[in-house]
This record gives sequence, C-alpha cells and structure tokens, in this order.
Amino acid sequence: GQNIDQPTEMTATEGAIVQINCTYQTSGFNGLFWYQQHAGEAPTFLSYNVLDGLEEKGRFSSFLSRSKGYSYLLLKELQMKDSASYLCAVTLGGSYIPTFGRGTSLIVHP
Amino acid sequence: GAVVSQHPSRVICKSGTSVKIECRSLDFQATTMFWYRQFPKQSLMLMATSNEGSKATYEQGVEKDKFLINHASLTLSTLTVTSAHPEDSSFYICSARGPGARGRGTTNEKLFFGSGTQLSVL
Repeated sequence: GQNIDQPTEMTATEGAIVQINCTYQTSGFNGLFWYQQHAGEAPTFLSYNVLDGLEEKGRFSSFLSRSKGYSYLLLKELQMKDSASYLCAVTLGGSYIPTFGRGTSLIVHP
Repeated sequence: GAVVSQHPSRVICKSGTSVKIECRSLDFQATTMFWYRQFPKQSLMLMATSNEGSKATYEQGVEKDKFLINHASLTLSTLTVTSAHPEDSSFYICSARGPGARGRGTTNEKLFFGSGTQLSVL
C-alpha cells in the first residue's frame, strides 16, 4: 500500500521558513506531487518529483529521496496567504493515478 | 494553463433526490477524468476513474449504482449521486490529466482540479 504519512498541522511565523515532510511506503513508486489546497477550494499543483534531489521553484522547493521513501516541501519567506493545506500525493508506475496523503494544515501567523 | 470547470459549486438537497455534478475540461481534451471525495480535514479519496467512451472504473467500496459516472465526450464527465442521503454529504472534486508536468528525467501528466462541489443532503 501507499501509507502516505504527513504531519496533521504545522504553524509558522510570517517571513520564516517551514519544511513539510512526507513519507511513503509503496511498491512501484513512480513520482510524487505536492498540491496546495485552500479551504473549500480545489487543490493547485505545486511540484512533481521523480528523481532524487531538490527542485526549486520560487519560494517553494521540493525534495525527494526514493531510497528513503521521503519527500519534503520547503516554503521560504512565508506569507499569510500560504496558510493552507499541503497535500502529498504518490503515483504508482503504469497508472499514474495519484494517491493522496491526509494533508498538512499550515497556519502562518504574524 | 489548463482549466477544469466544475458545476455546481454548492448543492443543498432533500434526502432521496439525485444530484448531477458536471466536470468540463475547457481548453484541452481529457480522455481520463477522476472523481474524488473529501471529508473535512481529510484526504482526497479517489472514487472512480472516468474513461471517455467506456465504463468508469470504481475504487473498492464505492457503489457504482449509487455514484453514476458518464464520460460522453473528451471534455465532459458527469457524476450523479442517486437517491442521496445525509451520509453522502461531502466535498466532491473532479480532475483531469492535462499538459505535462516535467520532473527531472521524465514527464508525467499533472492533474488539474475542478473547483469542487459541496453537497449537503438534508
């Protein structure tokens, strides 16, 4: 199974850096997505990792270690609007249908 | 970027009625669409995979006679919740595979999500 695990909730201060971790146990792993979801809205795509390493995209970066079944999403220079749920999703080879973790609710305070 | 339109955004209905939710890909063709269900503070749970021109593939535990899926064209999939009951109240989200998301070393089609439908059954 996928057994995708992420913290339920995190809090951070505006302007700070926060790292959201995601671990997974899956056979046939293909890739890992990160999505951002504000309450009552659809998820929006943040990143997609297939190979080991760090991918940087503006204030957001995503890291993957395939051997460790581990990924993190790094958010820099936090803004209040970054308060949202962050979903880690894993795809299995062949189907490419993402299976989502429970999401991490990030609260950014002044 | 690719856009997926979902309607209605909110439905309140009486128990026993049927509710239809539409999902359209506006600027790309989607041979496959996905329907998810989400309870408050929970993950997106895949209900079914909708394939254009063929029957939907349902996940284990999802009643296909309860949740009817039709994918009549490359841009439209519908989910009908038949004889809805209060326990069907949830946030329903559709998604479609769109233009590729390139990760280092390979390309995959990223999912574009509709805006979701909040169903409340009284």
